[in-house]
Amino acid sequence: AQKVTQAQTEISVVEKEDVTLDCVYETRDTTYYLFWYKQPPSGELVFLIRRNSFDEQNEISGRYSWNFQKSTSSFNFTITASQVVDSAVYFCALSEPPISNFGNEKLTFGTGTRLTIIP
Amino acid sequence: DTGVSQNPRHKITKRGQNVTFRCDPISEHNRLYWYRQTLGQGPEFLTYFQNEAQLEKSRLLSDRFSAERPKGSFSTLEIQRTEQGDSAMYLCASSHRDISGNTIYFGEGSWLTVV
Repeated sequence: AQKVTQAQTEISVVEKEDVTLDCVYETRDTTYYLFWYKQPPSGELVFLIRRNSFDEQNEISGRYSWNFQKSTSSFNFTITASQVVDSAVYFCALSEPPISNFGNEKLTFGTGTRLTIIP
Repeated sequence: DTGVSQNPRHKITKRGQNVTFRCDPISEHNRLYWYRQTLGQGPEFLTYFQNEAQLEKSRLLSDRFSAERPKGSFSTLEIQRTEQGDSAMYLCASSHRDISGNTIYFGEGSWLTVV
């Protein structure tokens, strides 16, 4: 069975500080995808990144960066020079590949980390 | 281009009443999903459509829940005889699987409060 753990329930940092959100996952499959979503107060889940299990390269997108460590089953997310607009709940999620081309790639989510950026 | 659209955004209903939510996916997406999210939790999978075919249902989807996607475009999620435990946000998502994989895009959700 799949499982995603986000041990940090809430984090508060002062604006312009860097912050890292932790994500640890469990799966029996060798092929899988990892995701991060942002959920602002409006409720919409905003897609941030999808990472294939075979691609362990770290990724940087502007102030966002992701560190994928297969050896520790972790997929951590860092925001550099945080801004008030980064305040939201962030979810890490895992999907396993479908059995067929029509199969469901349903997501298993963690419980989320509420990030508050203090001006 | 618009994202995944859901309505109504908020619904307050009395226990025992029926409610229906609508989802309009991103136009070229053939896959559609429903998830449910309660306070302080991550979304949980409810059901999945490939075009108009409902291919998977979670055991969370009791007999009071029914979802349809009649023409492979929009979808509806109906909850009959609502109970207080149904209070949650119902999220719709859509995707299109291509050579790069399957990225799932979510709508803003429909909040349900059963009183």
